[in-house]
Amino acid sequence: QKEVEQDPGPLSVPEGAIVSLNCTYSNSAFQYFMWYRQYSRKGPELLMYTYSSGNKEDGRFTAQVDKSSKYISLFIRDSQPSDSATYLCAMSDYNDMRFGAGTRLTVKP
Amino acid sequence: GAGVSQSPSNKVTEKGKDVELRCDPISGHTALYWYRQSLGQGLEFLIYFQGNSAPDKSGLPSDRFSAERTGGSVSTLTIQRTQQEDSAVYLCASSSGSPAQYFGPGTRLLVL
Repeated sequence: QKEVEQDPGPLSVPEGAIVSLNCTYSNSAFQYFMWYRQYSRKGPELLMYTYSSGNKEDGRFTAQVDKSSKYISLFIRDSQPSDSATYLCAMSDYNDMRFGAGTRLTVKP
Repeated sequence: GAGVSQSPSNKVTEKGKDVELRCDPISGHTALYWYRQSLGQGLEFLIYFQGNSAPDKSGLPSDRFSAERTGGSVSTLTIQRTQQEDSAVYLCASSSGSPAQYFGPGTRLLVL
């Protein structure tokens, strides 16, 4: 079993849809949780950074962490074609970072 | 402000040649990381620097791979006697006192 599991997709949604992206993990020592967005032929860009359990909202993006279930989510409201990218989850116990394999999202106009 | 920069952006080389990839982290960031990303794959950790020292080299795939960092800033990843399986995107990231890492655009390496 991988330390971090993320469905690779691909996921295709119509413009305006709510998108839900998820990761599960096995290491209960993870305290810091991140979501990165990676456009084609670009480096990953930090989108959201949260500590421990709870929700964090930034514009159309909401990150949710449930440490009891070892499950994290990223919600994108009113999705736009410009949101089409690969989304990687990442988590850390401060010393070590682990990345999911990434979910490829396409938002169709 | 300036982000992480990497050069070259693309590199095509012949099997058996050596290549050097450069990373310029965000100013003031003490931690620097190298990753490899193969087509459609996740990020493979290679090496981590804290200042000029590398406490974690566990991800380097073979002794053909080496990296150094000087002046607590610029880092160079060197691949000797390149093989076709070394073809990938090499990503550099930096951070400062936080687990969040900030990535550069990557160097796309193609070994023919």
